[in-house]
Amino acid sequence: DAGVIQSPRHEVTEMGQEVTLRCKPISGHDYLFWYRQTMMRGLELLIYFNNNVPIDDSGMPEDRFSAKMPNASFSTLKIQPSEPRDSAVYFCASSYHEKLFFGSGTQLSVL
Amino acid sequence: QKEVEQNSGPLSVPEGAIASLNCTYSDRGSQSFFWYRQYSGKSPELIMFIYSNGDKEDGRFTAQLNKASQYVSLLIRDSQPSDSATYLCAVKGGNSGYSTLTFGKGTMLLVSP
Repeated sequence: DAGVIQSPRHEVTEMGQEVTLRCKPISGHDYLFWYRQTMMRGLELLIYFNNNVPIDDSGMPEDRFSAKMPNASFSTLKIQPSEPRDSAVYFCASSYHEKLFFGSGTQLSVL
Repeated sequence: QKEVEQNSGPLSVPEGAIASLNCTYSDRGSQSFFWYRQYSGKSPELIMFIYSNGDKEDGRFTAQLNKASQYVSLLIRDSQPSDSATYLCAVKGGNSGYSTLTFGKGTMLLVSP
């Protein structure tokens, strides 16, 4: 398996624009997570899904953030409108038997 | 609020020495404990997990757990420059139902040749 696949690797956008991050989990994993990492706050859990169903989105910072998982092999995290404080690395991870496997991340810069 | 605390470092050790990384957690009901390694600019990678009190060894790595003291540690023997990275401690709760991982902010390890 190729592991968790995220795209794009880097995203530079201007404030107010919509940003969509994509993730393909490892086949057979039943949990999918979206994390955000910054120097100040470390790794923060934004939302997670179980069998494509959102379970807990209490970590989503604002209504500007939304996530979907239309099927077992695809998830998106959308920010609309984006703000400079959203600049961070966004990781998608999937898990099997408690062990998390991370994608390579998306470095988001909002100017 | 579940918390996982780590010294941010950097922890500097010479090549060949033992590196000791420590972590404390606030949720006494936590059941599962993980160590992730994150190289600069890369994603976290699972290197060790431990569920029971005591030691667990895997190659040069040893994880130690003391639930009474709410303390987890990672020992790296014969440290190599390639071990230079940030090490994240992660703790999973023991509540009924599913619990997510809470991560510490990590300790940066620097191994000098």
